[in-house]
Amino acid sequence: GQNIDQPTEMTATEGAIVQINCTYQTSGFNGLFWYQQHAGEAPTFLSYNVLDGLEEKGRFSSFLSRSKGYSYLLLKELQMKDSASYLCAVMDSNYQLIWGAGTKLIIKP
Amino acid sequence: DVKVTQSSRYLVKRTGEKVFLECVQDMDHENMFWYRQDPGLGLRLIYFSYDVKMKEKGDIPEGYSVSREKKERFSLILESASTNQTSMYLCASSLWTSGRVNTGELFFGEGSRLTVL
Repeated sequence: GQNIDQPTEMTATEGAIVQINCTYQTSGFNGLFWYQQHAGEAPTFLSYNVLDGLEEKGRFSSFLSRSKGYSYLLLKELQMKDSASYLCAVMDSNYQLIWGAGTKLIIKP
Repeated sequence: DVKVTQSSRYLVKRTGEKVFLECVQDMDHENMFWYRQDPGLGLRLIYFSYDVKMKEKGDIPEGYSVSREKKERFSLILESASTNQTSMYLCASSLWTSGRVNTGELFFGEGSRLTVL
């Protein structure tokens, strides 16, 4: 079966760095996505990785290793507004998205 | 900016009632999707549509149907609501690109929280 694993909850301190991991087992691979979802709001697109390596976008970076079935989202200089759930999703060989359950990130002052 | 609008943020219905959830997008996207989101689970795809009058079953279509009569509008219908359909329903759209390859960037509505009593 297809599976996406990510931690249920993480806690970090304002101003620090946090890494949210995502491992996957899917039928084929056509890219990995990270979305941010604040409580009660719509998920919003953060990043897309289809090749191995690190993609940097401001305070957020996303890394992919296809051989290991592994990705992480790195958030630097954490701000209180980064408190949200972070959803990992993989596009399989049929171009369908398989979603992880999400990681709830709690930022403490 | 792409805007995806869902008609109702909160609904309370009784078992057996017919429920309509409406979704409208304003960016001429070909693809539209209905997901449900439940605690501890990833988003689960109910139905999707890649063109007007076209629909495809997702992972959990049982108990649901959809309608896409116009490109901008995708409706989810619960013919006879049941308590296990209590959930958050998310509509999304994305731009179709050639060969069905796209960045996968989905634009979501804010969700419709349905409670079935």
